[in-house]
Amino acid sequence: NAGVTQTPKFQVLKTGQSMTLQCAQDMNHNSMYWYRQDPGMGLRLIYYSASEGTTDKGEVPNGYNVSRLNKREFSLRLESAAPSQTSVYFCASGQRETQYFGPGTRLLVL
Amino acid sequence: AQSVTQLDSHVSVSEGTPVLLRCNYSSSYSPSLFWYVQHPNKGLQLLLKYTSAATLVKGINGFEAEFKKSETSFHLTKPSAHMSDAAEYFCVVSDYQNNDMRFGAGTRLTVKP
Repeated sequence: NAGVTQTPKFQVLKTGQSMTLQCAQDMNHNSMYWYRQDPGMGLRLIYYSASEGTTDKGEVPNGYNVSRLNKREFSLRLESAAPSQTSVYFCASGQRETQYFGPGTRLLVL
Repeated sequence: AQSVTQLDSHVSVSEGTPVLLRCNYSSSYSPSLFWYVQHPNKGLQLLLKYTSAATLVKGINGFEAEFKKSETSFHLTKPSAHMSDAAEYFCVVSDYQNNDMRFGAGTRLTVKP
């Protein structure tokens, strides 16, 4: 039982490049989430998916898109990366009010 | 809208002394409240949660928190700090029905030998 897994662990992009962050969970949770973590700001919700086939914007969705591929997988895409998107990205899955987090992806945009 | 304020950005204690990490919340609903811990370069691990049952909640590694509605607080305590407790701690308020989960800015706990 791996819980929530994320790939890659670390990525460096140039401004304007695109990439997709992958997330998978094996806990059969309906809900999945993407957060970004910036120093002194805690975690902020980018997008979430309450169930397979649905996605909704969170607090900071601009510059991102998501896909809920199936119940297990929820990906986050940056179409044209900007330096302001340098951050640590966490995926989470949830059962009712409790969320379980992956190990994170560190993204550096130059 | 909900919000969380962690009153200290950094707390430093000596090993074996008590730990107090303070959290105040604001919510229009009956909230669920959580404490998560993040060790360096790791993901977030759930320490404990309050979901309208007992107001004193016990978590892992000897931590506990007390929900005080009159004070809108959910402070995290531990009687005796261990070196392995050094980490960042996040207080979180959640309104599950509206998929609204708000994190505090975090408190960095340092434990001195």
